[in-house]
Amino acid sequence: GQNIDQPTEMTATEGAIVQINCTYQTSGFNGLFWYQQHAGEAPTFLSYNVLDGLEEKGRFSSFLSRSKGYSYLLLKELQMKDSASYLCAVVDSNYQLIWGAGTKLIIKP
Amino acid sequence: GAVVSQHPSWVICKSGTSVKIECRSLDFQATTMFWYRQFPKQSLMLMATSNEGSKATYEQGVEKDKFLINHASLTLSTLTVTSAHPEDSSFYICSAVQGDAAYTEAFFGQGTRLTVV
Repeated sequence: GQNIDQPTEMTATEGAIVQINCTYQTSGFNGLFWYQQHAGEAPTFLSYNVLDGLEEKGRFSSFLSRSKGYSYLLLKELQMKDSASYLCAVVDSNYQLIWGAGTKLIIKP
Repeated sequence: GAVVSQHPSWVICKSGTSVKIECRSLDFQATTMFWYRQFPKQSLMLMATSNEGSKATYEQGVEKDKFLINHASLTLSTLTVTSAHPEDSSFYICSAVQGDAAYTEAFFGQGTRLTVV
């Protein structure tokens, strides 16, 4: 079967750095997305990785290792508004999106 | 980025009635649109994939006669929840993929919170 694993919940301090991990086992791989979702709202796009390595975009960076079936989202200089759920999603061989359950990130002052 | 507009944002309806949700791509042509449902504290669950001009492909366990999907144009897809019941109360989200690229970023609508009373 296809599976995406992320931690259910994480807590971090304002101004700090946090890394949210995602491991996947899917039938084929055509890219991995990270989305941010605030409560009651639709997800918003953060990043897309299809090649190994680190993609940096402002305070957010995303890393991919296809051989390990592993990705992480790195958030720097955390702000209170970063409190949200972070969803990892993999595009499989049929170009379907397989979603993780999301990681709820709680930022404390 | 591209804009996908979903309407209404929230709706309350009586049990047994039908509700239509619209999903529009405002500045691009969406050959493929996806409909998701999300229950509280759970992941997005794909309900169906809709391609312009053809019948939608439903995921296992999703009743196609209950959740009617129409993708009549390259900018509009609709989801109609027929004979809604309280267990259909959920957050429904559409997303659209632009053009014929093998796969590109999916742009999401704002979501529709449906409450059936």
